[in-house]
Amino acid sequence: DQQVKQNSPSLSVQEGRISILNCDYTNSMFDYFLWYKKYPAEGPTFLISISSIKDKNEDGRFTVFLNKSAKHLSLHIVPSQPGDSAVYFCAARVRSYNTDKLIFGTGTRLQVFP
Amino acid sequence: NAGVTQTPKFRVLKTGQSMTLLCAQDMNHEYMYWYRQDPGMGLRLIHYSVGEGTTAKGEVPDGYNVSRLKKQNFLLGLESAAPSQTSVYFCASSFAGGNQPQHFGDGTRLSIL
Repeated sequence: DQQVKQNSPSLSVQEGRISILNCDYTNSMFDYFLWYKKYPAEGPTFLISISSIKDKNEDGRFTVFLNKSAKHLSLHIVPSQPGDSAVYFCAARVRSYNTDKLIFGTGTRLQVFP
Repeated sequence: NAGVTQTPKFRVLKTGQSMTLLCAQDMNHEYMYWYRQDPGMGLRLIHYSVGEGTTAKGEVPDGYNVSRLKKQNFLLGLESAAPSQTSVYFCASSFAGGNQPQHFGDGTRLSIL
């Protein structure tokens, strides 16, 4: 039962254009969402996050949008650069009296070509 | 800044052997995590710790044990390795709970024959 889904395994975008990475979730109790970027042979690195009480968060070229009614979030990268080529994971936080953890999606491989 | 360091980086085991993966962080973080990454599965949480002396189960804890005797170290043990445990293992740490960014190590690639 995949609670966080990234339905596009890969995405190819031309340099300078917008990259849009999508993520869907099923658990309405998620209260925080994060995006991580991963290069080969390295660990994931944190990119940007958003609280469930917001619908947009921006940091430089990166913007995350959250649509709670659709249980959908997206990461926009504008403009895309070759160095953005990596695997992107979305993650959602679930918190209760005895747990506080992230559930990760399966990742989307982004390739930015010249 | 070392951040999160995982030891070893690579290991090949035979079925039934045991081993311990070591994770060390120098950021004074309270929370530490062990994940495994498999093709098409993303990152799955094995065990985590919310502070020294504590451990908790994640999504896929079976076949693994952990210990957090010191705040800076989080050990992942495989008592009797199985081929299904062939994976890339990542350790992470964070200042506080799941809404805080997690800092990851570069992974341990483990193959079990």
